[in-house]
Amino acid sequence: AQSVTQLGSHVSVSEGALVLLRCNYSSSVPPYLFWYVQYPNQGLQLLLKYTSAATLVKGINGFEAEFKKSETSFHLTKPSAHMSDAAEYFCAVTPTTSGTYKYIFGTGTRLKVLA
Amino acid sequence: GAVVSQHPSRVICKSGTSVKIECRSLDFQATTMFWYRQFPKKSLMLMATSNEGSKATYEQGVEKDKFLINHASLTLSTLTVTSAHPEDSSFYICSARPPGTYEQYFGPGTRLTVT
Repeated sequence: AQSVTQLGSHVSVSEGALVLLRCNYSSSVPPYLFWYVQYPNQGLQLLLKYTSAATLVKGINGFEAEFKKSETSFHLTKPSAHMSDAAEYFCAVTPTTSGTYKYIFGTGTRLKVLA
Repeated sequence: GAVVSQHPSRVICKSGTSVKIECRSLDFQATTMFWYRQFPKKSLMLMATSNEGSKATYEQGVEKDKFLINHASLTLSTLTVTSAHPEDSSFYICSARPPGTYEQYFGPGTRLTVT
C-alpha cells in the first residue's frame, strides 16, 4: 500500500533562512506528488506538483521541490523564508494506476518563521 | 483559475438537526469531487469520493446514511450531515478535480459546530 511520510511535524526557521520540508513516499510505481499549504481556518492551496515531467518542479511563492526516485523523496524547499510562509504544509500522493484519483496525505508539517 | 467555493463558511446547528454544505467549482467542470474532514491540528481524512451523476463512494468507517453526498452537476456537490451530534463538529473541506488531471483544488472549508 502507498504511504507518505513527512518527517518533522514542526519546523522552525529564521526569516531569510532556507526552508526544507521533507516528504518521502512508499510506492512500487512512482506516483504523482503534490505539495499544499494551509493557512489557519482555510482550505488547501496547491503549491506545486510532480506529474512525471521535469523532476525539479517550481511552484508559487518561490517554492520548489525535486522528485528523487532513488530516494523516494519529494522535499519542498525555499531559499529564503518570509514571515508569510508560516503555515501548515501537506505532501500528498496519488497513484497513477488505481483510477480513483484519491490522495494519500502526509501528516503535515507546521512551519514557523522566526523574526 | 481552478477556484472552488464552499458555503457556508461557518454553521452552528442544534443537535438532531441536519445541515447542508455546498461545494462549487467556479471556473471548471469537476468530474470528481472529494469530501474531507479535518480535526484540529490533524491531516485531512477522506470521507467520500463523488462522481457526477453516480453514487458517492464512501471510505471505510464513514456512515453513508449520516453523511449524504449528492453530485447533481459537474460544478456542484453537496454534503448533508443528518441528525447532527456534537461529535460531528469539525472542519469539512471539499475538493474538485478537473477532467484529465490528477490535481485537486480545495474549497476554503466549512466549520461546523453542533451544540
